[in-house]
Amino acid sequence: NAGVTQTPKFQVLKTGQSMTLQCAQDMNHEYMSWYRQDPGMGLRLIHYSVGAGITDQGEVPNGYNVSRSTTEDFPLRLLSAAPSQTSVYFCASSYSSSGAYEQYFGPGTRLTVT
Amino acid sequence: KNEVEQSPQNLTAQEGEFITINCSYSVGISALHWLQQHPGGGIVSLFMLSSGKKKHGRLIATINIQEKHSSLHITASHPRDSAVYICAVRLATSGSRLTFGEGTQLTVNP
Repeated sequence: NAGVTQTPKFQVLKTGQSMTLQCAQDMNHEYMSWYRQDPGMGLRLIHYSVGAGITDQGEVPNGYNVSRSTTEDFPLRLLSAAPSQTSVYFCASSYSSSGAYEQYFGPGTRLTVT
Repeated sequence: KNEVEQSPQNLTAQEGEFITINCSYSVGISALHWLQQHPGGGIVSLFMLSSGKKKHGRLIATINIQEKHSSLHITASHPRDSAVYICAVRLATSGSRLTFGEGTQLTVNP
């Protein structure tokens, strides 16, 4: 299994540009999430999905869209990039085993918005 | 106040020392996770706890549900243990969602 994969690893955008961060998992996990990690702050949840066709907002959803058309893929779209979206983005997947949810993280995407 | 507080924020140790990282939380939880993030950035799950104690090699994690507190211990620390250690809790009402502490930067010198 490849686990959780993310592309690209690095990206530089200009203010106002749009782009999609890709996330895929091959473990048939129900749950997928997007987090951002900023210096001095813990990981913060952007959006999450509990299954194909179902998504919901996390703590910091503004400026981002997601969709979950398949179990495997959970892309994150930046609609109009802003410098405040400069961050490291992690995608994660998890499954429920007797009510416990083991988390698997992708390698991260480092995004800079100028 | 954050729902999840870790201490210390930074920790420097000499190789071989016993290390403790603490995590306190203020809400009811269904599980607590300890994660490790290496300088390259990747995040790996170390432990998932809902009660008691777990051990994996030189790492030990404990949780006291009544006191809302967990500790991560590293015995016989080694420079390769240098990383950021992150505590995350699954709130009792949040299903699969996690709330994270800010992390503890551990540096182990040879």
